[in-house]
Amino acid sequence: DAGITQSPRHKVTETGTPVTLRCHQTENHRYMYWYRQDPGHGLRLIHYSYGVKDTDKGEVSDGYSVSRSKTEDFLLTLESATSSQTSVYFCAISPPSENEQFFGPGTRLTVL
Amino acid sequence: AQTVTQSQPEMSVQEAETVTLSCTYDTSESDYYLFWYKQPPSRQMILVIRQEAYKQQNATENRFSVNFQKAAKSFSLKISDSQLGDAAMYFCAYRSFQGAQKLVFGQGTRLTINP
Repeated sequence: DAGITQSPRHKVTETGTPVTLRCHQTENHRYMYWYRQDPGHGLRLIHYSYGVKDTDKGEVSDGYSVSRSKTEDFLLTLESATSSQTSVYFCAISPPSENEQFFGPGTRLTVL
Repeated sequence: AQTVTQSQPEMSVQEAETVTLSCTYDTSESDYYLFWYKQPPSRQMILVIRQEAYKQQNATENRFSVNFQKAAKSFSLKISDSQLGDAAMYFCAYRSFQGAQKLVFGQGTRLTINP
């Protein structure tokens, strides 16, 4: 196993509430990513991090923010959740010596 | 920006038969990586096979092989001797050779195996 966990695994929330998803790795890798998965779209990159306090936007970053204060944790925040953010969210890590990404188990988020 | 297209939303195959999933991509880069990921009902993303663009030889992993056509920007996945456990969503993905190692995914193909 790649040593990557996500919490919570499932969450139901209401429109307008803040939500934070956590990604935790035990591998000490530099790169971490947040993707969302929606039918017909595959996985799309939201934000990524290339080190502590170093983050950048992905393809679908509007409405999301991230933080990385420790190497092992990468947080995704929805400041004010909307129904369009109902999705499955995946975190991934990328070991420098391997040409692939390892994915967490995913978080299913429902915004009512 | 790079794009990846999977034009087959759903495919089905008889158990023990061979099936090919299609993927095309668009890029102006000459060096890159291509991947096929499998997502079973458990939702876990599992790497099936990868191809480095600078390698002319098609990658093979047991029953899984690719047909990489660089000039045509095509990257199809062939599954031989299909098994019930192969039933899943399959995603094609692209990664630039350098930079932040971000993945660009296709829309996915749902593969059903008929017993």
